[in-house]
Parts: sequence; C-alpha cells; structure tokens
Amino acid sequence: GAGVSQSPRYKVAKRGQDVALRCDPISGHVSLFWYQQALGQGPEFLTYFQNEAQLDKSGLPSDRFFAERPEGSVSTLKIQRTQQEDSAVYLCASSFQRGGGNEQFFGPGTRLTVL
Amino acid sequence: GNSVTQMEGPVTLSEEAFLTINCTYTATGYPSLFWYVQYPGEGLQLLLKATKADDKGSNKGFEATYRKETTSFHLEKGSVQVSDSAVYFCALPSRGNNRLAFGKGNQVVVIP
Repeated sequence: GAGVSQSPRYKVAKRGQDVALRCDPISGHVSLFWYQQALGQGPEFLTYFQNEAQLDKSGLPSDRFFAERPEGSVSTLKIQRTQQEDSAVYLCASSFQRGGGNEQFFGPGTRLTVL
Repeated sequence: GNSVTQMEGPVTLSEEAFLTINCTYTATGYPSLFWYVQYPGEGLQLLLKATKADDKGSNKGFEATYRKETTSFHLEKGSVQVSDSAVYFCALPSRGNNRLAFGKGNQVVVIP
C-alpha cells in the first residue's frame, strides 16, 4: 500500500510569502504528526492530531505557523510571512494507534528554503 | 520531558567493520525506545524498537538492548555494508506521549 506522501517535495519562498505544505497519511491512521528538521539535526515536534482534533500544538514556534486536518485524513501545515529561520525540512508522520508512543511512518518531507 | 542523547559526530568505517552508535535516555518510567534510519533522499523509517527493559530489538543485522541500569539503547551491527550508509536516530515518546523526541542523529559512512 501507499505510504505517507508529502507535497511539494521542495519549496522556495521569498521572505514574507505564505506557504502551504500538504501531508497525505496512510489510510486509516488515526494519529498525524508534523516535525521540523533543521540541517544536521534530529526532527523536532511541531504538532499532533488525533483524527481531526489537534491535541497538541505546543511545538509550533510562532503564531505564524498553523496546521489543520479538517476531515481526519489529509493535513496542511501553513506558514505565514515566512522568515529565513523557517528554512528546514518539514516531516509528516502518521500512526495507526493513538499517541506518539508507537511506530510512526514518515513521509519524505518538504524541503523549504526561504530566501 | 523524556529525552535521548546520541554520541557526537559522524562515523566512518570500512565495510565488514563492527558498528556501535551510543544512545542514552532520560525518562519517567520505561517508555518504548526506537532507532530510526534515514537513507539518502528518503524519509525516516523505523529500524528497530524495544518496548520494555531488557528487551532486544533487531532488524537487518542491527541490534539494540534496552538497558535500564545504564539508561542506554546502543545500536550495534557486527559487519556493516556500504548500503548501511545513512543517518541513524535514537528516539522515545515524550511530553504526555504526544510526540517522539529524537537525538541529533549520527551519519554513518561505510567505505568499500
């Protein structure tokens, strides 16, 4: 079956532009996570959804970051007024079970470069 | 919250050499522990896991034992191949079990 997919794979934005990153999780997976991975670092948690409910958004670095999963499947991470420090790889992961304590399946990521 | 620490720096070794990557953890209780691998150009994928103390996870010739006495989960492989070249991340659930907390990762380069 299909794994987690993300689009676009690469995004270049000028500083101040808004961007939207899409994640298609594995069908039937209850949990969905977004992580930010800076160059040479491990992924850092951004936010967690259980079905359509955003249960934890404590990792979002500022109010410019917004995520949604309105129907409990596809999710979008939106970054408003992008800044250079937002340049990173954004990873989406999904899990069949609730919570973050089980195996998470990762997408290939979206590499965002803000000029 | 729970956290993991990985040894600093990349690891370069020759084919068929023995590989060890250190991972120590700080946690409340005994959460599951994971090793994820990221091959060039690909997403992270689960390599192995252990769900309780003294468990040994294994996959593709890699092993890691959940040791509560030393709070460690070191990754080992007896004979590496060029295809094992990748970045390896240690991870555990954290902050109310709503996320995985990852180490910084270790780049492994295997030379023929």
